[in-house]
Amino acid sequence: GAVVSQHPSRVICKSGTSVKIECRSLDFQATTMFWYRQFPKQSLMLMATSNEGSKATYEQGVEKDKFLINHASLTLSTLTVTSAHPEDSSFYICSARPTGIWTEAFFGQGTRLTVV
Amino acid sequence: AQTVTQSQPEMSVQEAETVTLSCTYDTSENNYYLFWYKQPPSRQMILVIRQEAYKQQNATENRFSVNFQKAAKSFSLKISDSQLGDTAMYFCAFRETSGSRLTFGEGTQLTVNP
Repeated sequence: GAVVSQHPSRVICKSGTSVKIECRSLDFQATTMFWYRQFPKQSLMLMATSNEGSKATYEQGVEKDKFLINHASLTLSTLTVTSAHPEDSSFYICSARPTGIWTEAFFGQGTRLTVV
Repeated sequence: AQTVTQSQPEMSVQEAETVTLSCTYDTSENNYYLFWYKQPPSRQMILVIRQEAYKQQNATENRFSVNFQKAAKSFSLKISDSQLGDTAMYFCAFRETSGSRLTFGEGTQLTVNP
């Protein structure tokens, strides 16, 4: 149990286009989901926390208009990178914390975004 | 704000031997959770072990155990009988009991040599 599916695992897009990444909790409900960005050989950097049915909370320095987050249901959160540029190329990871008394969150497989 | 520090960017160990990864943290909270996550080359984050701060007993999971020193704010991970599949980046992480976000350390790249 406690599986988080992230899709796509890899995506290449052209500069100026938008790309959507999905994060689904397959066998549990998640009131809260998290989006991270990870550069090579570095730690995970929290971008935003999304709560079902409300606006996401963005970390300082993260452009909310560039990284649109929607958490429309208890099992799905999406991250849309708008007007992508090469500097947006990175590894994006989502995690979901089950509703209720849970100590841990579960991670998706990650998405490698390359903007050309 | 909480901070998590891993002072060993890279470590290596011979197969079947024991290795200890260090982690220190800073917090003013009394109740919290600590975690060790493993990120192999596939980059899937995998929970290795967790510790509740109110528990004095150190957590163990098969070959993995921790040395939790609350007063010193130290949380090291010991891997016994290292296996090639243990090769990965290891992250120490902190979460407040009442909070939801994880604070990660910088990571330690562990290589297990045959």
